[in-house]
Amino acid sequence: DIQLTQSPSFLSASVGDRVTITCRASQGISSYLAWYQQKPGKAPKLLIYAASTLQSGVPSRFSGSGSGTEFTLTISSLQPEDFATYYCQQLNSYPCTFGQGTRLEIK
Amino acid sequence: QVQLVQSGAEVKKPGASVKVSCKASGYTFTGYYMHWVRQAPGQGLEWMGRINPNSGGTNYAQKFQGRVTMTRDTSISTAYMELSRLRSDDTAVYYCARASTAMVQDYWGQGTLVTVSS
Repeated sequence: DIQLTQSPSFLSASVGDRVTITCRASQGISSYLAWYQQKPGKAPKLLIYAASTLQSGVPSRFSGSGSGTEFTLTISSLQPEDFATYYCQQLNSYPCTFGQGTRLEIK
Repeated sequence: QVQLVQSGAEVKKPGASVKVSCKASGYTFTGYYMHWVRQAPGQGLEWMGRINPNSGGTNYAQKFQGRVTMTRDTSISTAYMELSRLRSDDTAVYYCARASTAMVQDYWGQGTLVTVSS
């Protein structure tokens, strides 16, 4: 199975900050990577797919980049509603594994 | 609008089976794969498998092979996930999620809490 390692696992930031979350794959996955946001008690929400394509309706302050084994999710200017847990997922091969998550909290 | 509505919470004893349903509306059910993902309390997301509602073909994570069965009823646009020989560590929220043409899970059900306890 392909393992995804997110860093950091926990991030404390302020409204207006620029933050970056990294996702590293144990082997190359081309651009078959998605990012999700999850708030407590809610289902995950798709933010980005194909490593850098913004899902319809997602604010442009979210962006993704990378290919192969290293990927990043960047939020350019944190808004109060962005404080949540973020997961990456690879779709290159089965099982479609997720990273362990990055919890983003208000400083 | 696309909606996935899952069945209600379940409490099961160890060794029993559970079957969770996911009723789709707002799109052509047979046109999109359906994935199942679970989340144990306070833990991350775990992909379980997927079903092609058109053909009924499935792909399961090795971890669940032999215990999970994903099926569908196209006449009522509903997908099912059955997990057998339940253990306490199967306690989790189970989600169904539609896969877009890019294979990512773009619409999710509200989740079904399955509690396994003696």
